[in-house]
Amino acid sequence: NAGVTQTPKFQVLKTGQSMTLQCAQDMNHNSMYWYRQDPGMGLRLIYYSASEGTTDKGEVPNGYNVSRLNKREFSLRLESAAPSQTSVYFCASSRGWDSPLHFGNGTRLTVT
Amino acid sequence: GIQVEQSPPDLILQEGANSTLRCNFSDSVNNLQWFHQNPWGQLINLFYIPSGTKQNGRLSATTVATERYSLLYISSSQTTDSGVYFCAVLTGGGNKLTFGTGTQLKVEL
Repeated sequence: NAGVTQTPKFQVLKTGQSMTLQCAQDMNHNSMYWYRQDPGMGLRLIYYSASEGTTDKGEVPNGYNVSRLNKREFSLRLESAAPSQTSVYFCASSRGWDSPLHFGNGTRLTVT
Repeated sequence: GIQVEQSPPDLILQEGANSTLRCNFSDSVNNLQWFHQNPWGQLINLFYIPSGTKQNGRLSATTVATERYSLLYISSSQTTDSGVYFCAVLTGGGNKLTFGTGTQLKVEL
């Protein structure tokens, strides 16, 4: 089992460029999440999808969009990247709110 | 929103020592989890423990939900235990975990 797989591992963007971070899980989990991790700020939820077909905003959704493509895949899109979006992005999944959360290995994004 | 505080913020141990990490939260919770972020940045789920005590090898965790705290015990620490330990809680009927700011642990030879 691969668990939660994120691509790419690293990315450098120029201000204004767009990109999509991909995430897939093979654990048949219902819920998927996108977090960002910044020094001194801990992990903050960007968007989540409680089940296939639904998405909801988290704590810091501005500047991002998401798509729950199917039960396995949940992508995060930056339409016009800004330096403030330089961060490490983690995708995670769980069976539901009452079960353990499993993380991917992260994507380190730098916006110059 | 709920406040999640972890202590100590930093901890240095000699290999073989024991330690206790604490997570305090400001409201009742439905769900509490402990994670370890290793020096390579990977986040590993250690425990799902909304109440009671669980053990996994040298690690154990106890959550006293009525008193709004959880403890993570590390016994006979090893250098591979180094990293940041996070607790995260879920409140009410929501579906979103709130993370504490972590305890940075360094285990030295």
